[in-house]
Amino acid sequence: SAVISQKPSRDICQRGTSLTIQCQVDSQVTMMFWYRQQPGQSLTLIATANQGSEATYESGFVIDKFPISRPNLTFSTLTVSNMSPEDSSIYLCSVDISGTYNEQFFGPGTRLTVL
Amino acid sequence: DAKTTQPTSMDCAEGRAANLPCNHSTISGNEYVYWYRQIHSQGPQYIIHGLKNNETNEMASLIITEDRKSSTLILPHATLRDTAVYYCIVRSSNDYKLSFGAGTTVTVRA
Repeated sequence: SAVISQKPSRDICQRGTSLTIQCQVDSQVTMMFWYRQQPGQSLTLIATANQGSEATYESGFVIDKFPISRPNLTFSTLTVSNMSPEDSSIYLCSVDISGTYNEQFFGPGTRLTVL
Repeated sequence: DAKTTQPTSMDCAEGRAANLPCNHSTISGNEYVYWYRQIHSQGPQYIIHGLKNNETNEMASLIITEDRKSSTLILPHATLRDTAVYYCIVRSSNDYKLSFGAGTTVTVRA
């Protein structure tokens, strides 16, 4: 298994500002992912955080809005840029520790409210 | 286009088995059935997955029909802590993506 922590756990931000969310894993992992869960909705994959290269974004998500860093095999950040109230969501990171596409472990999430 | 269909919600009695159905009629040969659950205010938690054989672990059992077009997740003795949204996900063996649908909101009642 993997223990994943996220910072901050929650935040309230003003529109037009940016927030960087951190994801820390207690072991080296091959694959890390970022998801968004809008209020009352299911999870949507934003991107795959690749170590040493640019993240791979899903349709509807762009790097300018959600820049991602992955400096090593245990850490990643997601920035939500130029925020609007529509960005109010829970943002979760997850990891695949086996590299065999079996189970993914999820962090506790960051609850973001944009005013 | 959703690959799975699940009931929106269901209630279960504490201590009884909870049987959660999932339809995946368009599943292809290399696609697995995964189950995750999300307890309120937490990240999703992996439960179990299978290809065509029935699977069992410490959390649950997964029964997949012979034609693989549907499956059932069984929680053998539901507790109040099993109250959560349960997601049935179809994923191919070479695809890292998890596509979450709406899931089934399961409420276990005392």
